[in-house]
This record gives sequence, structure tokens and C-alpha cells, in this order.
Amino acid sequence: DIQMTQSPSSLSASVGDRVTITCRASQGIGIYLAWFQQRPGKAPRSLIYDVSRLQSGVPSKFSGSGSGTDFTLTISSLEPEDFATYYCQQYDSYPLTFGQGTRLEIK
Amino acid sequence: QITLKESGPTLVKPTQTLTLTCSFSGFSLDSNQVGVGWLRQPPGKTLEWLALIYWDDDERFSASLRSRLTITKDTYKNQVVLTMTNMDPVDTATYYCAHRKLGGPQFDNWGQGILVTVSS
Repeated sequence: DIQMTQSPSSLSASVGDRVTITCRASQGIGIYLAWFQQRPGKAPRSLIYDVSRLQSGVPSKFSGSGSGTDFTLTISSLEPEDFATYYCQQYDSYPLTFGQGTRLEIK
Repeated sequence: QITLKESGPTLVKPTQTLTLTCSFSGFSLDSNQVGVGWLRQPPGKTLEWLALIYWDDDERFSASLRSRLTITKDTYKNQVVLTMTNMDPVDTATYYCAHRKLGGPQFDNWGQGILVTVSS
């Protein structure tokens, strides 16, 4: 199985900040990397797929980059609704696997 | 507009079989490249993918749970059913179904989830 490791596990930031979350795969996954946002008590929401392609309706303050094994999610100019948990997921091969999550908290 | 909704028991006893139904609208499981997946999330933990079924009847499963899982689709009813045998307290989680299209966004639409508790 491909292991996905996110860092940091938690992050404190202020409204207006720019933050970056990292995801590392245990082996190369090409471009098959997605990011999800999950607010407390809610289902996950698709943000990005194929490393950097924005899901329809997702604001451009979210961006993704990377290749091979190392990937990042950047959120520019944080707003209150962005404070949530973020997960990366690989779909290069089965089983589909997720990172452990990064909790983004208000400072 | 794509919508999905999970239904089934919210409490099961250890060793029992769990049967969950995903009812969906806004797409057809007859359509090329389309699939419906099941995922779960234990309280306070990360997401775990369980199974997927595609338009062409291809089925994929988590290797660690394969022996306990069955997934079926009813194209006419727009439903996907997941069964998990021999339930254990560690299977307590929120179970989600989600739409997937190969070559497109991953799990771009999710159900609201159903919390299943395994307890005697």
C-alpha cells in the first residue's frame, strides 16, 4: 500500500495568512494526488485533483503543486471558513489511501 | 446536481453483518467512467477507503477488508449497497458513499455520512 504522510499534523494561523500543507507519498504517484477539506461534523469536500486542478466551484485561493512523491496544498489569504482539516489522497493505485490529516486552527 | 445519501442501521452488535445503502441522483451508474465508492472515518481519525463499484461492474476493495466486504449496484433504483460481515467495535465509524469519475475529480460528491456504532 502507498503510505501518505502529511505535515504538519496541526497548524495555527490567522485570518489573512498564507499557509502550506505538505503531503509525501511512500512511492511515486505521478499526478494522481487529490486534496479534501473537512469541516467539523461535515462530509469531506473535494478541492483539488491531479495535483493542481481545482474542483469546480473551489476558489482560486487554493492551489496545489508537486510531483512524484512530494506535494503541497497552499491556501492564500485565509478566511474563517478555511479553518478545517485537510486530507491528501493518492489514486495512483489501489488501495486508495489518505494522509492522516492536517488540522488548521485559528491562532 | 449530484446527491448521495447513506441509509442503514446506526447500531449493530458485534459479529453481525452491516448493510448500508447509498441512494443517489443526478448521475447514472450506466455512464462511462462513473463509479460509487464507500469510505469510512472512525471518530477523530482519518478517512479510509473501503470499496468501489464502476459502471462496467468492475469492483475494487480494500485488501485488508476484502474478505468481509460485498458491493453491489442497482442501476434502475440508483442505489449501491455495501455489506460488511463480522462487525467489531473497531468498525465504529461514519460511513460515506461518494461519486467518482475516472479521469476526473476524485470523490467529487459525497453523502452526508451515517454514524454506525458497533456495541453489544
